[in-house]
Amino acid sequence: GQQLNQSPQSMFIQEGEDVSMNCTSSSIFNTWLWYKQDPGEGPVLLIALYKAGELTSNGRLTAQFGITRKDSFLNISASIPSDVGIYFCAGTPSNDYKLSFGAGTTVTVRA
Amino acid sequence: EAGVTQSPTHLIKTRGQQATLRCSPISGHTSVYWYQQALGLGLQFLLWYDEGEERNRGNFPPRFSGRQFPNYSSELNVNALELEDSALYLCASSFQGRPYNEQFFGPGTRLTVL
Repeated sequence: GQQLNQSPQSMFIQEGEDVSMNCTSSSIFNTWLWYKQDPGEGPVLLIALYKAGELTSNGRLTAQFGITRKDSFLNISASIPSDVGIYFCAGTPSNDYKLSFGAGTTVTVRA
Repeated sequence: EAGVTQSPTHLIKTRGQQATLRCSPISGHTSVYWYQQALGLGLQFLLWYDEGEERNRGNFPPRFSGRQFPNYSSELNVNALELEDSALYLCASSFQGRPYNEQFFGPGTRLTVL
């Protein structure tokens, strides 16, 4: 599948902070999805994006489908301890049909 | 609505044995996907089944196989287990067999090979 570059690899954040992570690709994507995985559990779909420029929120989470269609961003506002986990981006390139996953961003919150 | 379910939760096998993992998709979903997630690593695509047929497979040896039943549930079989097969195996399902549709994951089966 297509390689997605997700950054940062990990982050320590202070409770109450706003944080951002992003995902980039060398080719154009038709779909961007963001998942969160808690330890020992399966990933949970947070936000799905289908149009370039699309900005979608889910509570304190906001994700955007980049205008170039080669990137996506996820923002978490006012972090709380339960935001701890691994966040994965995923997407489908325009020349393929398989869903590709980024390597994940591990978020740890300092109380 | 019930989510994707997987069984067993944990499975312990010894090298050389066979493992069978099971997955039930969300009602109405026809596609099932299998992923391997080794400790601390990302998700590696294994297999995609839709309408009872294998549609695609990832870069894994033939000893990883599976099937999808008429009720859309699925089995993943791993033969001749090796130590490096130890991982969390995740099943996901989606609607209409279109991979770029949103995939919903089950809780996973933790396979340990001793």
